[in-house]
Amino acid sequence: GIQVEQSPPDLILQEGANSTLRCNFSDSVNNLQWFHQNPWGQLINLFYIPSGTKQNGRLSATTVATERYSLLYISSSQTTDSGVYFCAVSDYKLSFGAGTTVTVRA
Amino acid sequence: KAGVTQTPRYLIKTRGQQVTLSCSPISGHRSVSWYQQTPGQGLQFLFEYFSETQRNKGNFPGRFSGRQFSNSRSEMNVSTLELGDSALYLCASSSIRGATEAFFGQGTRLTVV
Repeated sequence: GIQVEQSPPDLILQEGANSTLRCNFSDSVNNLQWFHQNPWGQLINLFYIPSGTKQNGRLSATTVATERYSLLYISSSQTTDSGVYFCAVSDYKLSFGAGTTVTVRA
Repeated sequence: KAGVTQTPRYLIKTRGQQVTLSCSPISGHRSVSWYQQTPGQGLQFLFEYFSETQRNKGNFPGRFSGRQFSNSRSEMNVSTLELGDSALYLCASSSIRGATEAFFGQGTRLTVV
């Protein structure tokens, strides 16, 4: 199956800092999504981004499908950005990376 | 419109029992997939249903089964529960199969004692 690697595994930020999360995948994919898992376990959709660049407020994402990677940018981080961020790619099913745990300190 | 609804939210069962979890997808969505999340294995694909048929299955024992009804609602069943089945079970809904955006429910947290 498709292998997905996320880096870094852990990220500690001071409030207001910017950061970049990376997702590498091993094969061509039809779909790439970024999720934020809230403390209750629900996966919240951030971006559906098989290719190109999208922005939503302080978050943006870029996928370079030909080079098999995607980046998630968090700007001006806030404590509410804390949590686990997952990248998932799909052929017929979603394959998830191990996640990046982000901690934003006030 | 309403999101993906999973019931129950929390469940405690004893080893050897069986359990049924339910998932109602977003209205109009016909594809439902199930995932298991554990600290050790991360998020793993269980199975996918589309038009009442199981289309794909992950690498899980036969104790894990599911079905989908004509209204696209899905259930998954785990028989002869083991301690290792303790996990967060997440259901995903998408409009069609393949390269479309998936939306997740809040999950069912199963504890086997």
